[in-house]
Amino acid sequence: DAGVIQSPRHEVTEMGQEVTLRCKPISGHNSLFWYRQTMMRGLELLIYFNNNVPIDDSGMPEDRFSAKMPNASFSTLKIQPSEPRDSAVYFCASALRTEVWDRRQPQHFGDGTRLSIL
Amino acid sequence: QKEVEQDPGPLSVPEGAIVSLNCTYSNSAFQYFMWYRQYSRKGPELLMYTYSSGNKEDGRFTAQVDKSSKYISLFIRDSQPSDSATYLCAMSGRGSTLGRLYFGRGTQLTVWP
Repeated sequence: DAGVIQSPRHEVTEMGQEVTLRCKPISGHNSLFWYRQTMMRGLELLIYFNNNVPIDDSGMPEDRFSAKMPNASFSTLKIQPSEPRDSAVYFCASALRTEVWDRRQPQHFGDGTRLSIL
Repeated sequence: QKEVEQDPGPLSVPEGAIVSLNCTYSNSAFQYFMWYRQYSRKGPELLMYTYSSGNKEDGRFTAQVDKSSKYISLFIRDSQPSDSATYLCAMSGRGSTLGRLYFGRGTQLTVWP
């Protein structure tokens, strides 16, 4: 089975440029999560969607960050303009969310996009 | 104060040792507790999943949850070099926390032959 697919795996760009990260969740999953991981702060939730609708975007650092999920099989995280402090590994995860705990499926992660802003 | 606290280590043990990894948390609404393992340059992968208090065993791995103390543990018996990775605890609950996971910072483990 295909897992969560993220692209690109690596991105190096100059400060001020627009960056777009892409994610394809596992087929059939109805929740999608974007995380950022750094040595200093660990894994931080940026935003998550349920049935393509943003549920909680309180982790989005500032207006330079935006995320969309136009359909159940695709999501993007965009940074415009990018800054050096945005350098991190960005993960996408998906899950099948149910209300019955014993059928609850935990989150499955992609291998991340390593972003470097020069 | 973060909702989930985890000592980042690093932790270095010889092959065959028993490893104990721990997290504490502050939100009493948490009911679902997980341990993820993350190899270098890979995404976290689910290792253990428990609901509420008690123990759960899976091969060499045992997860313990003590909700009264807000403390969770992961034990690895007969540790192997292939267990070398970063281990992240994660948790979630009902109500306003439903659907999102709260992660610890992760503990970096090295098992040397």
